[in-house]
Amino acid sequence: DQQVKQNSPSLSVQEGRISILNCDYTNSMFDYFLWYKKYPAEGPTFLISISSIKDKNEDGRFTVFLNKSAKHLSLHIVPSQPGDSAVYFCAAFQFSYDKVIFGPGTSLSVIP
Amino acid sequence: KAGVTQTPRYLIKTRGQQVTLSCSPISGHRSVSWYQQTPGQGLQFLFEYFSETQRNKGNFPGRFSGRQFSNSRSEMNVSTLELGDSALYLCASRENEKLFFGSGTQLSVL
Repeated sequence: DQQVKQNSPSLSVQEGRISILNCDYTNSMFDYFLWYKKYPAEGPTFLISISSIKDKNEDGRFTVFLNKSAKHLSLHIVPSQPGDSAVYFCAAFQFSYDKVIFGPGTSLSVIP
Repeated sequence: KAGVTQTPRYLIKTRGQQVTLSCSPISGHRSVSWYQQTPGQGLQFLFEYFSETQRNKGNFPGRFSGRQFSNSRSEMNVSTLELGDSALYLCASRENEKLFFGSGTQLSVL
């Protein structure tokens, strides 16, 4: 039972354009949603998060949008840079279960 | 604060051997989780420890085990290694909803 889904395994974007990574979830009780970035052979690093009571959070070039009615969130990267090429994992957290659940990841390639 | 430290960084073993991986969490963090990542795969959850007790467990065979010490440091053990155990093993310490990952241990089983 996959509670957090990332239906696009990969995405290619031109440098300078917008990258949009999508994530869907099934459990409406999640309290937080997080995005992690991972380079090969390294551990994931925390990028940005959003509380379930918000619909938008912004940090520099990164913005996360949350649509609770659609159980959907997206990460926007503007402008995209070659250094953004990595695997992005969407994750969800529920306080009552005290557990983080990851999606399968989306591999982003930013083409110079 | 120092980050999550995993040792060793690289490890080569042969089939049938056993291996122990070590993880030191961020100071003050009591929760430590372990994940496996194989090529092209996502993050497969192994287990989570909190205050020396296993709190959650993923869907891995009993050859995979772990423990946590009173200082929150954690070890993960894999016995009777198989070729398919070759992977990047990641440890993370957690504070509320945020996980902080180490650099991982790259295990190769020959």
